[in-house]
Amino acid sequence: NAGVTQTPKFQVLKTGQSMTLQCAQDMNHEYMSWYRQDPGMGLRLIHYSVGAGITDQGEVPNGYNVSRSTTEDFPLRLLSAAPSQTSVYFCASSADRNYGYTFGSGTRLTVV
Amino acid sequence: GEDVEQSLFLSVREGDSSVINCTYTDSSSTYLYWYKQEPGAGLQLLTYIFSNMDMKQDQRLTVLLNKKDKHLSLRIADTQTGDSAIYFCAENPYGGSQGNLIFGKGTKLSVKP
Repeated sequence: NAGVTQTPKFQVLKTGQSMTLQCAQDMNHEYMSWYRQDPGMGLRLIHYSVGAGITDQGEVPNGYNVSRSTTEDFPLRLLSAAPSQTSVYFCASSADRNYGYTFGSGTRLTVV
Repeated sequence: GEDVEQSLFLSVREGDSSVINCTYTDSSSTYLYWYKQEPGAGLQLLTYIFSNMDMKQDQRLTVLLNKKDKHLSLRIADTQTGDSAIYFCAENPYGGSQGNLIFGKGTKLSVKP
């Protein structure tokens, strides 16, 4: 099993560009989330999904969109990149909301 | 609102025990978690504890929960250089209804040979 796969691992964007961070899991997990990690800030929840077709906002959703058309995939879209979105982005999934999440290895995004 | 607090740094000598502390605010959290992050990697679930437990032991790891004081600790026995990492405490608020986690800012553990 691959677990949670995030692509790309690194990306540099210019201000105003848009892009999609990909996240796929092969464990048939219902719960999926996107976090961003910034120095001194820990992890902050951007968006989450409790199943295909269902998404909701987390703590820091502005500037990001998500969709969940399948159980496996949960892409994160940056609509118009800003330097404040420079961060490391983690996707995570879980079969049971109580028993913890499996994390991907992250996407390091730099917006210049 | 929900908040999870941890000290930012801990330094120990190889072979000693490490104790990483955490306080949380949401008394409805049914599960509490410890994650480990090695440099350049994602987070790895180390262990979790159900809120009706006081202690959980798993090999070198011991988790203590004081629900009255909302205090969680992770003890690593016989700490090794491979244990050097950032350790995150996390709670699952809303009684698990949304299944999302609130993380602390992480404690960077440095193990000196």
